[in-house]
Amino acid sequence: GAVVSQHPSWVICKSGTSVKIECRSLDFQATTMFWYRQFPKQSLMLMATSNEGSKATYEQGVEKDKFLINHASLTLSTLTVTSAHPEDSSFYICSARARGQYYEQYFGPGTRLTVT
Amino acid sequence: AQSVTQLDSQVPVFEEAPVELRCNYSSSVSVYLFWYVQYPNQGLQLLLKYLSGSTLVKGINGFEAEFNKSQTSFHLRKPSVHISDTAEYFCAVMDSGYALNFGKGTSLLVTP
Repeated sequence: GAVVSQHPSWVICKSGTSVKIECRSLDFQATTMFWYRQFPKQSLMLMATSNEGSKATYEQGVEKDKFLINHASLTLSTLTVTSAHPEDSSFYICSARARGQYYEQYFGPGTRLTVT
Repeated sequence: AQSVTQLDSQVPVFEEAPVELRCNYSSSVSVYLFWYVQYPNQGLQLLLKYLSGSTLVKGINGFEAEFNKSQTSFHLRKPSVHISDTAEYFCAVMDSGYALNFGKGTSLLVTP
């Protein structure tokens, strides 16, 4: 149980285009989903927190107009990188928290984004 | 703000030897601490967590960690490592919004 999937696992896009990454909780309802960004051989940095049906809360320094987060249902959150640039290339990981479980996060396998 | 510091960026160790990965935290309130493991190009897997109670926490794959309030530490230990333990290990503290603040990670390299 408690499986989180991400799609795609790997994507290449051209500079200036937009790309959408999906995060799904497969066997539980995720009241909260978190989006992290990880540069090569570095730690995970929290980008934003999204609660189902509410606007996402972005961390300081994260451009909300560039990284659009939608948490429209209890099993799906999406991250759209708009007008991508090479510096947006990174590993994006989502995690999900189930209803009533405050201290457990289930992580997706991550999405490798390369912007050319 | 709550944060963690992982004192070692890389730890090389021989197979079947014991290992300790160090983590110190800074927090003035109740603290919830976690250790995660990340294999190459994969997401994170929870090894263990400390929320309250016993300061010695046992996790998966033979790992354990001890919460030490006086030293503000949460070091991860394993008495005998395997080649398959080679991975990146992250210590993390949970903030008031239930998000995780991660340390910079420790790369554990187990060699024969």
